[in-house]
Amino acid sequence: KAGVTQTPRYLIKTRGQQVTLSCSPISGHRSVSWYQQTPGQGLQFLFEYFSETQRNKGNFPGRFSGRQFSNSRSEMNVSTLELGDSALYLCASSLATGAETQYFGPGTRLLVL
Amino acid sequence: KNEVEQSPQNLTAQEGEFITINCSYSVGISALHWLQQHPGGGIVSLFMLSSGKKKHGRLIATINIQEKHSSLHITASHPRDSAVYICAGASGAGSYQLTFGKGTKLSVIP
Repeated sequence: KAGVTQTPRYLIKTRGQQVTLSCSPISGHRSVSWYQQTPGQGLQFLFEYFSETQRNKGNFPGRFSGRQFSNSRSEMNVSTLELGDSALYLCASSLATGAETQYFGPGTRLLVL
Repeated sequence: KNEVEQSPQNLTAQEGEFITINCSYSVGISALHWLQQHPGGGIVSLFMLSSGKKKHGRLIATINIQEKHSSLHITASHPRDSAVYICAGASGAGSYQLTFGKGTKLSVIP
């Protein structure tokens, strides 16, 4: 079974631009969560989706948005990029919300110049 | 505001040693996750605990709900165990809205 895939793996953008990151969960998984990892703040929760519904959102500005499609694939969008948005963005999938095991993707490394 | 505190920040051990990493968490956290992050960024979910103890191979995780404390133990440590270990608290039942600790960087020397 294929693991969680994230595209693109690496991305360079400039301040003010917007970016869309994609996450394809493991087949059959309906829960997708997104996390941001930076050297300064560590790992932080962004969003949690289940069956196309956003269940929870972390403490991030409205520039960060996301969605989940009927096939469970998920996208997150960051508008008006700032230097501080440079980070590793990780998504993780699980069979259902609160399932024992989340499976993490390799991440998308975003650099904002 | 949910908080998760991990200790130690860094840990160096000789191969074969028994290792313990500690995690304390605040009221409002209902389950505790342990994650392993390898150099290069890949994260593996090790355990989710809401009570008691779990074991997988050489890894053991325990949680004390009254004291709001969890430990991750590694028996017979091996250089391949070298990684960053992160504990994370879930704020609601069945939620992946996690609050993360800062991680413990473990180096196991042959």
